[in-house]
This record gives sequence, C-alpha cells and structure tokens, in this order.
Amino acid sequence: QKEVEQDPGPLSVPEGAIVSLNCTYSNSAFQYFMWYRQYSRKGPELLMYTYSSGNKEDGRFTAQVDKSSKYISLFIRDSQPSDSATYLCAMQAGTGGFKTIFGAGTRLFVKA
Amino acid sequence: EPEVTQTPSHQVTQMGQEVILRCVPISNHLYFYWYRQILGQKVEFLVSFYNNEISEKSEIFDDQFSVERPDGSNFTLKIRSTKLEDSAMYFCASIGRKNTEAFFGQGTRLTVV
Repeated sequence: QKEVEQDPGPLSVPEGAIVSLNCTYSNSAFQYFMWYRQYSRKGPELLMYTYSSGNKEDGRFTAQVDKSSKYISLFIRDSQPSDSATYLCAMQAGTGGFKTIFGAGTRLFVKA
Repeated sequence: EPEVTQTPSHQVTQMGQEVILRCVPISNHLYFYWYRQILGQKVEFLVSFYNNEISEKSEIFDDQFSVERPDGSNFTLKIRSTKLEDSAMYFCASIGRKNTEAFFGQGTRLTVV
C-alpha cells in the first residue's frame, strides 16, 4: 500500500465551483499535513499547513484533516481560472529534518 | 521574501557524464533536501541533509548520487554517471529550525541524452 494516495485527476470544473481535493494515507505517524500548488515546470508552492486533526481556513482555501480516518481534504471556494494547477498533498511525521512525503498530485482545470 | 534558488534551470547532458546541480537554500535554514519529479509523475524524496551530513536517503539515492554543502551557502547534488532515466526535474528544498513546511526552489530540469 502506498504511503499517500491521491487521485491524479484531471479534475475539470467551471469557474465559481467549489473544488474538493482529497488524499488518504497509511502511516499513522504523520502529524503534519500540507497542501502544495504546482504550476507546470515550477517548484511546489506551499498553500496550507495543518497540524494533527482539524480544519484550517485561509481565504478561499480550507484544509481538513481527519486522523482517525487517515484522510485529508482541501476545499477551494469560488474557484478561478488562475487556480488551475496541480495540487499536491504532503505529510511529515515530525518537524525539522523529517522528509516530506507527497501524493501524486491532482491536476485541476478551472474553466472560465 | 527569501527564496530557494537553483541553478541551472535546465541542463542537458550526455549519458555517462557527471552533472552537478546547485542550490542556495534560505540563509537561516538548517535542513536541506533534494527531490526528483519525473515528467508526469509524483515528487519523490531523494535525500535530506543536516549538520553537514546525510540524515536520510531513499532507494533512488544510490552510489551514483552525492550531496555536499561546500561553503556554508550552496547545497549541491552530484550525479556521477548519468543515465537516461535520471532525466527529471530536481527540486531543492530547505526548512528552518522552527518550521515544518519545506520551501522549494524552482527546480533544475535535467535532460540526459
């Protein structure tokens, strides 16, 4: 079983839609959960970071972590064409020095 | 805003040649990483580096790979004898003492022909 599973998509939505992106994981040691956005041929850019279970909101983005189900989500409200990118979930077992394990990334297209 | 800088942005090399990919991490960061992303595939961990030594490496990071922090600012990845399957984007990342999230450079696209 892969440590982190993420549907690669592509996911195509109309402008203004609510987008839901998800990952599951198998390693119960993971405590830090991140979402990165990656544009074509660019480096991953951190969007959201959460520790343990719970919700975190930042503008149009909401990250949710359910450690009991080993399931994390990213919601994008009022999606814009500029949100079109690959979204990578990522997780770590600890701070400083622990490797980040990435999901495969979900390609999102927001149509104007 | 501080950022991780990688050079070159694109490197083309012949199979069997040695390449050195360079990174300048964020200046007060302590943990350094190399990741690889083959076109269309996921970002894969290669190696982590702390206190001038490798702290962890993946199965991908075999004897053909080495890392070095030669002068306290640069962080390099060397591939001794490149293979076609080494063609990928290579990302450098760094983390500060109190941070969890990694900050990534823009990557070096390595093409082995």
